[in-house]
Amino acid sequence: EAGVAQSPRYKIIEKRQSVAFWCNPISGHATLYWYQQILGQGPKLLIQFQNNGVVDDSQLPKDRFSAERLKGVDSTLKIQPAKLEDSAVYLCASSLPPRNRHEQFFGPGTRLTVL
Amino acid sequence: QQQVKQSPQSLIVQKGGISIINCAYENTAFDYFPWYQQFPGKGPALLIAIRPDVSEKKEGRFTISFNKSAKQFSLHIMDSQPGDSATYFCAASRAGNMLTFGGGTRLMVKP
Repeated sequence: EAGVAQSPRYKIIEKRQSVAFWCNPISGHATLYWYQQILGQGPKLLIQFQNNGVVDDSQLPKDRFSAERLKGVDSTLKIQPAKLEDSAVYLCASSLPPRNRHEQFFGPGTRLTVL
Repeated sequence: QQQVKQSPQSLIVQKGGISIINCAYENTAFDYFPWYQQFPGKGPALLIAIRPDVSEKKEGRFTISFNKSAKQFSLHIMDSQPGDSATYFCAASRAGNMLTFGGGTRLMVKP
């Protein structure tokens, strides 16, 4: 079974530029999560989707971050404009619906460096 | 406050020794407590998980001990091996939704 795919793996941008990350979850996983992991810290949830609907985006900085999951499969996370403090690894995870299972499967992440 | 506190931040153990990592949580509504293992350049991977209706769960060399009254849980790695060297995260969630992670413990197992 293929795992969670993310691209790009690495991205370097200047502050105030825009960037987008892509995630393809495990086939059949209705729930998709985006996490931000700052170096030396644990992942922090940014947004959770159930199919193509948002379940929780309370920790998403909505003035600069946006995410969508069209058709309930792939998802993109966008930052516009980027700040220095956005430098982090952005992890995508997917799972079966929470009521069935709790295990979240993580992708390898996209390492973002904002200069 | 949905917070999970993890200690120690780093741990060095000799091969064959026992590694112990501790976590404490605040939100009594949490009902699922997983431990994740992360190698450099990789995403976290589920290692073992426990629900609050049991006090201990063992899978191979890995054991979770859970103390509901103290709101604490810990990971024990028996017979630690150099291949166990990684960063370990405890986490907690309610109703299977958003995971709240601890700060992580970087484990180094010396040969």
